[in-house]
Amino acid sequence: SQKIEQNSEALNIQEGKTATLTCNYTNYSPAYLQWYRQDPGRGPVFLLLIRENEKEKRKERLKVTFDTTLKQSLFHITASQPADSATYLCALDIGGADGLTFGKGTHLIIQP
Amino acid sequence: ETGVTQTPRHLVMGMTNKKSLKCEQHLGHNAMYWYKQSAKKPLELMFVYSLEERVENNSVPSRFSPECPNSSHLFLHLHTLQPEDSALYLCASSQDLGEGNTIYFGEGSWLTVV
Repeated sequence: SQKIEQNSEALNIQEGKTATLTCNYTNYSPAYLQWYRQDPGRGPVFLLLIRENEKEKRKERLKVTFDTTLKQSLFHITASQPADSATYLCALDIGGADGLTFGKGTHLIIQP
Repeated sequence: ETGVTQTPRHLVMGMTNKKSLKCEQHLGHNAMYWYKQSAKKPLELMFVYSLEERVENNSVPSRFSPECPNSSHLFLHLHTLQPEDSALYLCASSQDLGEGNTIYFGEGSWLTVV
C-alpha cells in the first residue's frame, strides 16, 4: 500500500517569507496529486491538483511541483500571511474506488 | 459553503445508543464518501458510493452501517460504538470516481462516544 509522509507535523514561518511543505510517497506514482487546506474544526478544502506529466502548477501565491523520479511533491506559499496558517494535506489520487489517500498533514503557522 | 452539508455537527452518544449521521450534497455529484479523521492520524476512507451503489468498504466494523438512498444523500448509522470511535466524521462528494476528481468535503460531524 502507499505510504505518504509530509515533512513535519508543524512548521513555523515568519510572515512574508515563502513556506515550503514536502510530501513524499513510496511505491508507485499516482497519475495525480492533490493538496488540500484544513482549518481547525472544518473539513478539508481543495487547493490544487497536479498531473504526473506536469512539473509545476501555480494558483495565485501557491505553487506545487511534482517529481515522479524523487516521488515527491513540494507545496509553496509565497509572501505568506497569518491567514495562511492551517493544516495542509497532501493526497495521492490513484482513481477508482480508493478515492484519495491522504497524508497526516503539516500544520503551518505564519507568525506576524 | 462547500455544497456538502452534514448534520449533526456534534454528537455525544453512549456505547449502547443508536444514532445516525446525515449528509446531503447540492453539487449534482455522482460519488459520495465517508472519511474518519482521528487526532494524529491521516484521513481514513470508510465507504465509497457511486451512483448509489457501494463500491468500497475498507474493513470497517459492522457497527458502522452506511446508507445511500439517492445520489444526493448519504447516511452513516452508528450502533454500539466504542470510545475509540470518537473522531471527526467527514462526508464528501466528487463528480465521479476516477482519477482527477477533486473531492468536496462537508464540515464534519464531531462524534464523542462515552
